[in-house]
Amino acid sequence: EVQLVQSGAEVKKPGESLKISCQASGYSFTTYWIGWVRQTPGKGLEWVGIAHPGDSDIRYNAPFHGHVTISVDESNNTAYLHWSSLKASDSAIYYCARSQSNDWTFFDHWGQGALVTVTS
Amino acid sequence: EIVLTQSPATLSLSPGERATLSCRASESVSYSLAWYQQKPGQAPRLLIYDASNRATGIPARFSASGSGTDFTLTISSLEAEDFGVYYCQQRSSGPRPLTFGGGTKVEIK
Repeated sequence: EVQLVQSGAEVKKPGESLKISCQASGYSFTTYWIGWVRQTPGKGLEWVGIAHPGDSDIRYNAPFHGHVTISVDESNNTAYLHWSSLKASDSAIYYCARSQSNDWTFFDHWGQGALVTVTS
Repeated sequence: EIVLTQSPATLSLSPGERATLSCRASESVSYSLAWYQQKPGQAPRLLIYDASNRATGIPARFSASGSGTDFTLTISSLEAEDFGVYYCQQRSSGPRPLTFGGGTKVEIK
């Protein structure tokens, strides 16, 4: 059974760093793309970026590029989303999701989501 | 980026009724469109990929069609478990970003 298990909720202050994780199981981690999606009440669902663990190909959505870093660790089948300096506007639910498609045209399995709250 | 516009914003229906949801793209995405269902407190769940293919385990009452810029998701006979928010999502070829529609909320009338 494919499972994506995300790290727990976080409360941080503006300017702090944060790394959230997504551990995959039940499939070959290096075979499929794994992406990150942000959800907020105001903007809905937004694609943050995506990585292919097999060849370390990483793509970012322009609004997030330079503000977040996506990484993967094949040794423990885990993907990460990292901020070096959080802003209040980063407050959201973040989902990791696997893409079964070679061209990452859709996400077939999702993590449970991680709520990130950034407040002073 | 390609903008996906979903309509209606809210659909109020009774169990047993037919639901028709629309998703319109600002430019052609060919068949690269997916539909998801999301319930409160849960992650989105893939229903349809490549415009018309049901994902694993999705009941046959869910069907979808379309290509290019106009897409439709149909639920033939609503069941209580089908209420929630439905999103379309595209990823066309090239450097354009993957985007989601704003959602259609299907609620109990």
